[in-house]
Amino acid sequence: NAGVTQTPKFRVLKTGQSMTLLCAQDMNHEYMYWYRQDPGMGLRLIHYSVGEGTTAKGEVPDGYNVSRLKKQNFLLGLESAAPSQTSVYFCASSSTSGRAQLYNEQFFGPGTRLTVL
Amino acid sequence: DAKTTQPTSMDCAEGRAANLPCNHSTISGNEYVYWYRQIHSQGPQYIIHGLKNNETNEMASLIITEDRKSSTLILPHATLRDTAVYYCIVIGKAAGNKLTFGGGTRVLVKP
Repeated sequence: NAGVTQTPKFRVLKTGQSMTLLCAQDMNHEYMYWYRQDPGMGLRLIHYSVGEGTTAKGEVPDGYNVSRLKKQNFLLGLESAAPSQTSVYFCASSSTSGRAQLYNEQFFGPGTRLTVL
Repeated sequence: DAKTTQPTSMDCAEGRAANLPCNHSTISGNEYVYWYRQIHSQGPQYIIHGLKNNETNEMASLIITEDRKSSTLILPHATLRDTAVYYCIVIGKAAGNKLTFGGGTRVLVKP
């Protein structure tokens, strides 16, 4: 199993450009998440999804859109990139099967490093 | 979810035990204590979690005080690869909870 993969690994955008970050998981997890991490800071939740076709806002959703058309994929879109969106973006997934106390064991991808000039 | 307080940083000698404290005085009865770590430039990694009993797995041990207001993560024999930021997170049992990553403790394992 590959676990959680993210595409691309690095990207440089100019202000105003758009792009989509792809997250894929092969663990059949129901829940998926997008976080951002600014230098020296902890992770902050952008959006999350509790299942195929559903999405919800996290702590810092402004400027981002998401879609979960397939259970294994979670897309994060930036419609008009701004320098403030320069960050490392992490995707994660978690399961609702098995022991309930393990629901919060999230599996993270390797991250996408985005620079907006 | 309860707020946690951790030291900003700590050093540890290679081969020695590393004891990482976490205060969570407002934890409620149905909230778990989770520990994650983030090695430089990588995604966070789950380590261990507990409710009220002490827990041990292949990576670490978790000691939770009887009043559950604090806990300690123990790395029994720290290696250089354990250098990372360690996050203590208190969260309810329900699925899909949103992990809140605070500042964490930056652990530097020295040879």
